[in-house]
Order: sequence, then structure tokens, then C-alpha cells
Amino acid sequence: SQQGEEDPQALSIQEGENATMNCSYKTSINNLQWYRQNSGRGLVHLILIRSNEREKHSGRLRVTLDTSKKSSSLLITASRAADTASYFCATDGAKSGGYNKLIFGAGTRLAVHP
Amino acid sequence: ETGVTQSPTHLIKTRGQQVTLRCSSQSGHNTVSWYQQALGQGPQFIFQYYREEENGRGNFPPRFSGLQFPNYSSELNVNALELDDSALYLCASSLEAFPLHFGNGTRLTVT
Repeated sequence: SQQGEEDPQALSIQEGENATMNCSYKTSINNLQWYRQNSGRGLVHLILIRSNEREKHSGRLRVTLDTSKKSSSLLITASRAADTASYFCATDGAKSGGYNKLIFGAGTRLAVHP
Repeated sequence: ETGVTQSPTHLIKTRGQQVTLRCSSQSGHNTVSWYQQALGQGPQFIFQYYREEENGRGNFPPRFSGLQFPNYSSELNVNALELDDSALYLCASSLEAFPLHFGNGTRLTVT
């Protein structure tokens, strides 16, 4: 079973626009991460936000975390065609038993049109 | 620094057969984990190996097994293949807990 749910499932925008993706999760966490996956390939780590952080930036990425609502958002500013990919949030699960298990949502498919 | 490499990239097997997938960890990483990703879904955790020992397992039956070797490379073995085992199998390595560094996966098709 998957812990997180991304919203929307699919997003289509024009180059230069901002893209916002949301993620909700169910259990307490130590951290939440966002990964990107180009079609049929491996996942690439984008950003990690710890449970005691509320906002984090990395280049054109901005992530927020609201542990009271068990939700996170990923904002990509000034999007480019190369940002076209699937984006997944993943939580570690505070009670994962000491190993690095990640629980992924089903992802948001982002299409950026030139 | 080489990244995580997986082989083969694609594989077709018949129901009931056995399969072995291979993974070379990123240089210096001592932890490897395996994930199964069905079409249109997010990856699901199969298990993790740390210094050649399995130290965590997801909700997968015992016919999914693995090994980690002294050079930290790894294998995923699946016995008695079922049609639902068709998926992208992803290997990920790490030194500290996170982030995970993923390979490009092995696409397994079971017919």
C-alpha cells in the first residue's frame, strides 16, 4: 500500500509558468523527499525536508511541509520543457525500524509545453 | 564516480520461471535497497541490505530474495514468477540514510 497521494495526478503547463504539486501522507515522519523520474528511467533525488522544517529552497524548487496537515507541496518556478517528468513524494516513516524504507505516492505527471 | 548500474535493462520471462537481477552500487555506498514499480504507480519497497545483511523488508513474499556482496553489489532473485511480477525493478544505493541514488531499473515482463 502507498502512504502518500499526489495531487494532481497530471499537470500540463506552458514553459515559463509555475508548477505546483501537492502530497499528502498518513503517518508521522522524520523527513519527506521529492524525486523526479523521466519516462521509464530511475528516480533522481530533488530535495529533502525534515519534519522540523517548514520550507526549503533549491534552485527553482520550493518545498513546503505542514506536519499538522500531513501535507507537502513542491513548486517549480519558471518551468522548462526539460522539467517534463513524473514527480514523487516519499516519506521515510518515523517507525521504519532503523532502515531506509521510503514510501512513495503514485506521482504527478508534469508536461511542460514549449 | 560511477552511478548505480543495473542489468539487464529489459527481460522477458514465462510464468513459473526464476529471474536474477543485478545492481552495482555507487562507489563508496554500503547500503542497497530494491523497489518494485508497477506501471503508473510509485515504487514499493522490497528490501534493503546493509553490509551484506538484510535489515529491512517490505510486504513481499519469500520468493523475493536478495544478496549483497562484499563489494556492495547486489542481486534480486524472484522465484516462481507470476504475471503480477511484471514491473520496473529499481535498485538504490546510499552511504548515509538519504538520499537514495537510483539506477535506471530493469523492466521485467512475465508472460
